[in-house]
Amino acid sequence: EPEVTQTPSHQVTQMGQEVILHCVPISNHLYFYWYRQILGQKVEFLVSFYNNEISEKSEIFDDQFSVERPDGSNFTLKIRSTKLEDSAMYFCASSTGTNYGELFFGEGSRLTVL
Amino acid sequence: AQSVTQLDSQVPVFEEAPVELRCNYSSSVSVYLFWYVQYPNQGLQLLLKYLSGSTLVKGINGFEAEFNKSQTSFHLRKPSVHISDTAEYFCAVSERNQGGKLIFGQGTELSVKP
Repeated sequence: EPEVTQTPSHQVTQMGQEVILHCVPISNHLYFYWYRQILGQKVEFLVSFYNNEISEKSEIFDDQFSVERPDGSNFTLKIRSTKLEDSAMYFCASSTGTNYGELFFGEGSRLTVL
Repeated sequence: AQSVTQLDSQVPVFEEAPVELRCNYSSSVSVYLFWYVQYPNQGLQLLLKYLSGSTLVKGINGFEAEFNKSQTSFHLRKPSVHISDTAEYFCAVSERNQGGKLIFGQGTELSVKP
């Protein structure tokens, strides 16, 4: 069964460093998303991406964040200068766009900022 | 804006007992409703969804949920749980025509004991 894959599964970084989280969505999907979950809190929407551009972003997704689809298969989330409060589990998801809300999620990348 | 409240953070239950995981939402517009499950060390997986039509929705693994518009609820039920149902369960809503932007509840940890 096709699945969304994320790497790394866990990354530890120093405050102020740049981090790139990688995702390979399901191959025939057209819509891509990043969500995050700070420990003990809700899963929060960060950004959606379609047709090579951001379609929607939340207030959390400020100038420190960016997304890119550098080739036909990868979808990345970059945090330019990490802060302690960026420590969270980051989930990538994709969908065909035709089944409302049926997002397929990856297993997540845990980011720890020291 | 929408919000989702899952009334129980943890639900312990014995194997073969029935279970209900509660979810209430608020929204000023029509929404779609979802339940996702997260097994240990895995991504979020769609259990079931309500888009329109019959208010009783059946999902995978014997789960069902009932949409109650007057109560603004979407409680998840299973008549007889198994050890393998132990997982975190998330209720989520999205605005109609914004299928990919999910607003999640804080999750309910279902723990099934032998």
